[in-house]
Parts: sequence; C-alpha cells; structure tokens
Amino acid sequence: DAGVIQSPRHEVTEMGQEVTLRCKPISGHNSLFWYRQTMMRGLELLIYFNNNVPIDDSGMPEDRFSAKMPNASFSTLKIQPSEPRDSAVYFCASSSPSRGRWTDTQYFGPGTRLTVL
Amino acid sequence: AQSVAQPEDQVNVAEGNPLTVKCTYSVSGNPYLFWYVQYPNRGLQFLLKYITGDNLVKGSYGFEAEFNKSQTSFHLKKPSALVSDSALYFCAVRLRSSNTGKLIFGQGTTLQVKP
Repeated sequence: DAGVIQSPRHEVTEMGQEVTLRCKPISGHNSLFWYRQTMMRGLELLIYFNNNVPIDDSGMPEDRFSAKMPNASFSTLKIQPSEPRDSAVYFCASSSPSRGRWTDTQYFGPGTRLTVL
Repeated sequence: AQSVAQPEDQVNVAEGNPLTVKCTYSVSGNPYLFWYVQYPNRGLQFLLKYITGDNLVKGSYGFEAEFNKSQTSFHLKKPSALVSDSALYFCAVRLRSSNTGKLIFGQGTTLQVKP
C-alpha cells in the first residue's frame, strides 16, 4: 500500500494567489482528516470527512479555506486568497473503523509545506 | 471539554538511559489513547495505542506506554534511549462513545537523546 499521498510536497506562492492541496487516502479508508502544523499553534485539525461528507469543519480558520471530497479516493484543501500567515505544513490523514468501532489508527501523509510570500 | 496535556515541551535524555514522555488526558468517558512520533520533515507515524485489556501497551521501536485510569495518564516509556529516537512525540485521545475517528492531540513533546 502506498499510504496516504499528498501533493504537492512543497508549494511557494505569492500572497493573494489561490492554492490547492491534494490528498489521496489509503484505499478502503472512509474517514479523511486535514491538519495544519505551525511552530506557534502546533497541530490543528481543520476539517474531517466521513464517507465523503464533511462532519466537522469548526477548525477551518476562515472563509478563505475550503475543502472538498468528491469521492472516496480524493480530497482537496483550497485557500483563496492565500496570505503569509497561511504558511505552514498541511497534513492529510485517513482512517477506517475496525469492526464498526473507531479504534483504528489515523495514517498521515508526508505533508505539504506551504510558503506564502 | 476534552483535552490532552503533555506537560513537558522538551525531554532530554542520555543515550542508553530510560526515557519517559508524559501525557495526561481529560475526557468525559473512557478513552482510546494513542502515541505518534514525528521525525523532522516527515508526517506523524503511529507508535502504539491502548484500546482495552492490559494497561501496559507495547509498540514500535521498543516503546511502551502504561494506561493509568486513576491518574488519567498514558506515559510513553522506553528502557534504553537511542539517538535515533530524537523526534517530536504526540499523545492523542479519542472517546469510545464517539461515532467518528476524530483524535484530540496534545501539543507535542520534543525528545532529545544525546550520545
């Protein structure tokens, strides 16, 4: 299994530009999580999906951030317009319930390092 | 509110010595508990988890953790530290009653093992 795949691995953009981060969860996993990690704020959960449906987006910082999961094998996190304070590492993770109970592990992708100039 | 606390920002240990990374939690029910490790420029990797049964859980790379219900703690331990164990460690909790896979993470503890 290839694990959780994220692209791009690095993104440098200018303030005001649109940024799209992509994630492919592990096949068969039906929950997907987007996190942001910064030195100042640590690891923050932005949004998570269960069976492609957004369950909790309370961690999304503001309206400039949006996330979609059009199918079980793909999700995007979009920032429009981007700002320098959005610079961070963005992680995607996926998991799957074990025997109908949520005991299984979240598996993280390698992350996308975003720099907004 | 559910929360996880890792009281130490950094733990320094000499190679070969035992190490402990502390974690306490506050939840309104029985939890599932996890430890993750993050090496520089990498994503988080699963180390071990407590679901039920034996309070002492053994995981990857020789790590273990002990669930202590009365103290609401889940400290990570290793009998003999290696320089390669130097990394950022996260404790996480999930409620048994939750119908989703959402984890609540601690703020992380940097482990520095010196030769």
